Amino acid sequence: GAGVSQSPSNKVTEKGKDVELRCDPISGHTALYWYRQSLGQGLEFLIYFQGNSAPDKSGLPSDRFSAERTGGSVSTLTIQRTQQEDSAVYLCASSIPGLGVTDTQYFGPGTRLTVL
Amino acid sequence: GQNIDQPTEMTATEGAIVQINCTYQTSGFNGLFWYQQHAGEAPTFLSYNVLDGLEEKGRFSSFLSRSKGYSYLLLKELQMKDSASYLCAVRGDDTGRRALTFGSGTRLQVQP
Repeated sequence: GAGVSQSPSNKVTEKGKDVELRCDPISGHTALYWYRQSLGQGLEFLIYFQGNSAPDKSGLPSDRFSAERTGGSVSTLTIQRTQQEDSAVYLCASSIPGLGVTDTQYFGPGTRLTVL
Repeated sequence: GQNIDQPTEMTATEGAIVQINCTYQTSGFNGLFWYQQHAGEAPTFLSYNVLDGLEEKGRFSSFLSRSKGYSYLLLKELQMKDSASYLCAVRGDDTGRRALTFGSGTRLQVQP
């Protein structure tokens, strides 16, 4: 596609519910990243997928968070038993891994999650 | 650990020049990125530095000093549309983890 797409753009949920956020990376980009941006704060790394390698989950804040990437393309971030502190904008980015500027991450528009 | 510092807010006048500074302490270094983010939108890529010196791209330039752990983004001939947050991000270790570490962003307000 033309760019990274994410859905839904906005999600309001009640505390304790599970949510799924979807990311469609740029076609041909084998690397995919999830970040979280809380109000007034910088982007916080969550998880990284590259091809068929095991994902780097070092940024996931708790075991309530998980993500998968099917067929090396679309990714889903799942948050179980949501808490109010999970409220943030969840951003997905993709890139072509390599040297230098070729490995530039391009971001999707994000999903704004509000947990009531 | 990873630490990236940049000013929280800056104000400048249309037509002027503004410099946004970024200092970093990271484990390993494999490039520094600047992104622009308008309110409610995705960050968009502006510039990349991996070697010391100045990279110029139109009205925007970015400078890097690896020995000082320092970068700046220079915006010339400011326009109202340049009002946005500017994010400094560093890519650390180039083996395995490719994720970027971001600063909190500098919110730039351009006034008439």
